Amino acid sequence: GAGVSQSPSNKVTEKGKDVELRCDPISGHTALYWYRQRLGQGLEFLIYFQGNSAPDKSGLPSDRFSAERTGESVSTLTIQRTQQEDSAVYLCASSSYGAPFDTGELFFGEGSRLTVL
Amino acid sequence: DAKTTQPPSMDCAEGRAANLPCNHSTISGNEYVYWYRQIHSQGPQYIIHGLKNNETNEMASLIITEDRKSSTLILPHATLRDTAVYYCIVRGHTGGFKTIFGAGTRLFVKA
Repeated sequence: GAGVSQSPSNKVTEKGKDVELRCDPISGHTALYWYRQRLGQGLEFLIYFQGNSAPDKSGLPSDRFSAERTGESVSTLTIQRTQQEDSAVYLCASSSYGAPFDTGELFFGEGSRLTVL
Repeated sequence: DAKTTQPPSMDCAEGRAANLPCNHSTISGNEYVYWYRQIHSQGPQYIIHGLKNNETNEMASLIITEDRKSSTLILPHATLRDTAVYYCIVRGHTGGFKTIFGAGTRLFVKA
């Protein structure tokens, strides 16, 4: 597709279960970002990738959170042993990496809404 | 932590100009100012960006002070559909830079 695609759009899970959230960036975008947005709050930075590498993982809230990216394309955010405080919308964005005439803007997906019961 | 500060909320009358301020006193020489907005629960949408010159596009104008420590986003004729949260961020123009969003300004456009 032409935009950033995220799946699932909605996920309801029980406390203690593991969840995987997927992001398909815009083709050719080498930078990819994950954010968390709790209800009524701003965007909380989690992690970003340059290609398949994550230079800064300091935004991940705990060791229950992990992310990977393969083939400079799809990324997966995994939350293990989910807690109720993990309930939020998880947003993914991608951007190009230094093309001469690009704006450097981040293109966001519509997010994955996670509800932990 | 976010490198920008914005007022938490603002009101604007429909048809009038909305002027949204942003302070970014620690901006680096190679960092640009970007503005995004988020309507309801949608993903944020890019509006405009600039380095040091004022910029204008079909959506808005961006005024950056000469010292680059603050900027103002101007929506020239606000409509009800412009009600949203507006985020001002600073980041490098190229590469996968860590990009931090602050709390933004919630703009209410009233009829």
